[in-house]
Amino acid sequence: QKEVEQDPGPLSVPEGAIVSLNCTYSNSAFQYFMWYRQYSRKGPELLMYTYSSGNKEDGRFTAQVDKSSKYISLFIRDSQPSDSATYLCAMVGNTGNQFYFGTGTSLTVIP
Amino acid sequence: DAGVIQSPRHEVTEMGQEVTLRCKPISGHDYLFWYRQTMMRGLELLIYFNNNVPIDDSGMPEDRFSAKMPNASFSTLKIQPSEPRDSAVYFCASSSGTGGLETQYFGPGTRLLVL
Repeated sequence: QKEVEQDPGPLSVPEGAIVSLNCTYSNSAFQYFMWYRQYSRKGPELLMYTYSSGNKEDGRFTAQVDKSSKYISLFIRDSQPSDSATYLCAMVGNTGNQFYFGTGTSLTVIP
Repeated sequence: DAGVIQSPRHEVTEMGQEVTLRCKPISGHDYLFWYRQTMMRGLELLIYFNNNVPIDDSGMPEDRFSAKMPNASFSTLKIQPSEPRDSAVYFCASSSGTGGLETQYFGPGTRLLVL
């Protein structure tokens, strides 16, 4: 079993839709949870990160962590064509040397 | 700040040749990471440094790969000899001590094709 599982998609939604992206993990030691966005032929860029459980909101983006279920989500409200990208989740353990990226979910927002 | 700088942006070489990828992290950052990304395997952490010292190289695929960080503003990833299966996009990323592994800034990547 992989440390981090992420559905690769592709996911295609109409503009204005609410998008839900998810990752599951198996290692209960993970403490930091990040979401990166990667446009085609570019490097990943950090969108949001959260520590432990709970929600974090930044504009149209909400990151949610459920440690009891080992499940994290990224919600995008009022999705825009400019949100079309690959979204990668990433996780860090409390010792700092447990670090994994998900394989990424490809999202297309259709105008 | 110019961000993380990587060179070359594209590299095409023949099997058996030595390849050297270069990275300049963001000034003041004390963590530096090397990643490899392919369609099949996604983004893989190869090695990371803290204060120029390698901390975890467990992701380095084999002895053909080596990485150095002679000073805080420069790192290299070398593949010798290169093989077609090394074809991938190689990213360098950096972060500051307060951000640690959580807030990494990625460079634009080097697209490597080994024929």
